[in-house]
Amino acid sequence: GESVGLHLPTLSVQEGDNSIINCAYSNSASDYFIWYKQESGKGPQFIIDIRSNMDKRQGQRVTVLLNKTVKHLSLQIAATQPGDSAVYFCAEFNDYKLSFGAGTTVTVRA
Amino acid sequence: DTEVTQTPKHLVMGMTNKKSLKCEQHMGHRAMYWYKQKAKKPPELMFVYSYEKLSINESVPSRFSPECPNSSLLNLHLHALQPEDSALYLCASNPERGGSYNEQFFGPGTRLTVL
Repeated sequence: GESVGLHLPTLSVQEGDNSIINCAYSNSASDYFIWYKQESGKGPQFIIDIRSNMDKRQGQRVTVLLNKTVKHLSLQIAATQPGDSAVYFCAEFNDYKLSFGAGTTVTVRA
Repeated sequence: DTEVTQTPKHLVMGMTNKKSLKCEQHMGHRAMYWYKQKAKKPPELMFVYSYEKLSINESVPSRFSPECPNSSLLNLHLHALQPEDSALYLCASNPERGGSYNEQFFGPGTRLTVL
């Protein structure tokens, strides 16, 4: 699989490998952290969220990890598929607002 | 019905035109949002409506005028826009505003071009 220690704007992954997308957030007071997927020509689509009092949450083929010590959030995608090609945004919820981080464009190689 | 719809999909307008963007949801959601998204950038919050009342305006210029006629509809009226206002305008909704997070459902957006 491929992993990224720091946030990078693009990630190229071989089909079937695992992907790790990283995100740094800024507000320690945020209550929830969310990952969205945005495909070309579409609006953002919810993937998974995690509450600030948790450090790990798993969904179908996805896992979100939260490290509050270093204000870091990551999304792991298992067995990456061509349909996973998209832009991935992390977001934090605080004070009734959703604030998005810079996205990562994931391209899946056949 | 579990989606947010937006019309039109594409809009081209001149700087002197007046146009409106429309957003609709029938999920019973009481919070609705407008976001602006420039190319290769994340969405940026513009307005939040809660129970049909404007609750957040993120210092948006007055040439953008939101309106929430009822709990299912959200409009964004546009007047005297600038070319730099060209962007994807996204509408979203969630069940309630409150203090707790609820998943936001996004529409497909309206691609706006200002000439």
